[in-house]
Amino acid sequence: GEEVAQTPKHLVRGEGQKAKLYCAPIKGHSYVFWYQQVLKNEFKFLISFQNENVFDETGMPKERFSAKCLPNSPCSLEIQATKLEDSAVYFCASSQAINEQFFGPGTRLTVL
Amino acid sequence: KQEVTQIPAALSVPEGENLVLNCSFTDSAIYNLQWFRQDPGKGLTSLLLIQSSQREQTSGRLNASLDKSSGRSTLYIAASQPGDSATYLCAVRTEDTGRRALTFGSGTRLQVQP
Repeated sequence: GEEVAQTPKHLVRGEGQKAKLYCAPIKGHSYVFWYQQVLKNEFKFLISFQNENVFDETGMPKERFSAKCLPNSPCSLEIQATKLEDSAVYFCASSQAINEQFFGPGTRLTVL
Repeated sequence: KQEVTQIPAALSVPEGENLVLNCSFTDSAIYNLQWFRQDPGKGLTSLLLIQSSQREQTSGRLNASLDKSSGRSTLYIAASQPGDSATYLCAVRTEDTGRRALTFGSGTRLQVQP
């Protein structure tokens, strides 16, 4: 597609439950990025993929967060055993090589 | 480690004023710099992208400049309108063989009063 699509738009989970977020990058874009936006507009980089391969995962909390980008499927970001501090808006972006990144509308995760 | 700072954090101006938003970054070795707009509860809209070899980019009433050596960029908005009210974020992609993620500033929240 011509836009980055993210689902769901909103997600509410009880503490300790699993959360799974999806991202469909723009067709033809090789790179996918996940960011977490918490209070005060602070964006934190989580992980990036080049096609289905992890490109950079230096921002990922390793214990509970995992992500995949499989061929012919939306990319996913999964949080096992969510915590209150995981409440944030999660953005997915895609890009072609080193060109500008295009962002999806985000998924708002609320952990109660 | 790249750090991006935006000043001011918030700005309120009357309609019609020209204004400048500032962005500074600590590591001058960047691929490019991107300015975004974010409306409350919404995603990011890319406004302008400046490559490291460029000095400025223009789109309509927006003009972004880049001084890579001093680690600064400005976003100039001419003849501001109430519809320009939003948070403006700058983000840099640092020149690193591995990373291509963006490092964001904390944004400038702009309010244009009618």
